[in-house]
This record gives sequence, structure tokens and C-alpha cells, in this order.
Amino acid sequence: AQSVTQLDSQVPVFEEAPVELRCNYSSSVSVYLFWYVQYPNQGLQLLLKYLSGSTLVESINGFEAEFNKSQTSFHLRKPSVHISDTAEYFCAGMNSGGSNYKLTFGKGTLLTVNP
Amino acid sequence: GAGVSQTPSNKVTEKGKYVELRCDPISGHTALYWYRQSLGQGPEFLIYFQGTGAADDSGLPNDRFFAVRPEGSVSTLKIQRTERGDSAVYLCASSLMGSTDTQYFGPGTRLTVL
Repeated sequence: AQSVTQLDSQVPVFEEAPVELRCNYSSSVSVYLFWYVQYPNQGLQLLLKYLSGSTLVESINGFEAEFNKSQTSFHLRKPSVHISDTAEYFCAGMNSGGSNYKLTFGKGTLLTVNP
Repeated sequence: GAGVSQTPSNKVTEKGKYVELRCDPISGHTALYWYRQSLGQGPEFLIYFQGTGAADDSGLPNDRFFAVRPEGSVSTLKIQRTERGDSAVYLCASSLMGSTDTQYFGPGTRLTVL
């Protein structure tokens, strides 16, 4: 069975500081990996995803994540955060085999950006 | 364009009652998913529809839970004999075809069972 672990439940940072939100997965098969973001009072939105190819994937708002197979990680990073990045971030995995539609989510990391 | 919508946004019911939660997917999306998010947890998969049929209902916790999608568009999640442990946010998502197509989530229905 696949599982996704987000190591930090809360990450407080100051505006313009760099941030890394950690995500590790375990799976006996190849996986696809996703980061979703949930802004206050809004639904989950896809931030970025890794399916294949380049292990570094980027979002339109400056976040990036790198798939690291040897460390089974997919950490999310941003070099300089804004107040508007305050949200809950969920890492999710999907098996590349049979049930390649079912997302398995981590518990989420609440990113709070302070002025 | 319109996103995924869910009604009601909040539902409070008493233990033992029956509830229905509705999901309107994005027009043209053939794949529809239900997830449940309990407090402090990430969403957990419940069921996946491809068109009108439930392709995978392995996440439904027991036979009190049932979902339908009779015309391949709107879906209803039905919970019989509700229990306090059913309290959670129920999320619906849709995607164009399924597989790795991006899943677009609705705002959720917060169910509280007293």
C-alpha cells in the first residue's frame, strides 16, 4: 500500500524568507506525485505535479518541487514567500499502475507567513 | 467557467438520520471522485466514477455509505443511519477523463452529526 508523510504539521515563516515543506512517500510501485494548496475558505487547488521526465517541477507562482527517488521525497520549496502564500499544503501520491486515479494525501502542512 | 460545486455547504443532522450530499462536476468531465477529510487529516478516497458507473468504491467505509451518478454528471453521496464518527468534510472532485488528469475539487460539504 502507498502512504504519504508530511513531516511538519505547521511551518511559520517571515515574509520574503525561503521555505521548504517536506513530503516523503512509500510505495512498492512507481508513483506520480502532487502538491495541492488550500487557501482559507477555498477548495483544494493543484499546485504542481510530477508524472515523468524532469524531476524538478515548477508552479506558476514560484513554488518548485523535486522528485527524489533515492530519498523517496517530493519536498516543496519557494525561495521567497509572500503573505498571500499562507495556506494549507497537501502532498499526494498516485500509483502509476492499476489504480492510477486514486490520490493518497498526507495530513497537510499549514504554512503561515508573517509580516 | 464554473468549477465543481457541492451542496449543501454545511449539514447538521442527528445520529441515526439519513443525509444526501450533492456534487455538480465541471461540465464535460467524465471522472468524478468523492473524498472525506476528517479534522487534522488529509482527504481520504471514498469512490471513483467513470461515467455513470462506480469504477472503484473500495474507500466507502461500510454499507451505510452509497453514491450514485445516474446520468454521468451530478453525483449524490448517501449516508444512512448516520453516526457521530461520520462527521467530516466531504469533498467531491472531477477530472476530464480520469487517470492522471488534474482533479478539480469542490469546496466541500461539512457534515456534523450530533
